[in-house]
Amino acid sequence: SSELTQAPAMSVALGQTVRITCQGDSLRLFYSSWYQKKPGQAPKLVAYGRGIRASGIPERFSAYSSGNTASLTISETQAEDEADYYCNSRDSIGNHVIFGGGTKVTVL
Amino acid sequence: NLLESGGGLVQPGGSLRLSCAASGFTFRSYAMSWVRQAPGKGLEWVSGIGDGGGAIFYGDSVRGRFTISRDNSENTLYLQMNNLRVEDTAIYYCAKDFRPGARDNWFDLWGQGTLVNVSS
Repeated sequence: SSELTQAPAMSVALGQTVRITCQGDSLRLFYSSWYQKKPGQAPKLVAYGRGIRASGIPERFSAYSSGNTASLTISETQAEDEADYYCNSRDSIGNHVIFGGGTKVTVL
Repeated sequence: NLLESGGGLVQPGGSLRLSCAASGFTFRSYAMSWVRQAPGKGLEWVSGIGDGGGAIFYGDSVRGRFTISRDNSENTLYLQMNNLRVEDTAIYYCAKDFRPGARDNWFDLWGQGTLVNVSS
């Protein structure tokens, strides 16, 4: 199937670590990318390809992918990291882009 | 930069044409996409177009109703939306692919979005 599955919500204490996962069969074929989305703002590319951090993204963000699962880890989480996070990839054929349903990260 | 325009209020069955003006990069070298976010919902890829205007693809929910195009001489991306439905209500973003000449799903530059409201 051509779907990407994310947990709808996660919470993390300030300064702690949170790992957001994204599962889908197409991840075995295509790299994923990750986006941070805050209300009223455009999505921002966080990581792409083989776990490469996008320009300007703090080192506390790291991405990894293996098999059918991609993950984004935020270490030493800051208050400003509270946002929705989306993974994306291509469908199994490769022509269409698909997004996961998004994970709302709340910083306690 | 990417700057969308053309959104607004339209009745079901109506049409709108969105534009996305690009600046600060070599527009003709990059594939582009439209991505939308309905109120309270997640991101949804709508359509993509290759750097030369070929390799056009649509999401299942808009195929046959929306048409993507680009004018590389004017550095502008378009989305013609026909037979609009209430469920097309969303903020529409244009987004640039990361690598020149490639069609990745890595969007490194986004516009601020334009709101399309389909309502009677």
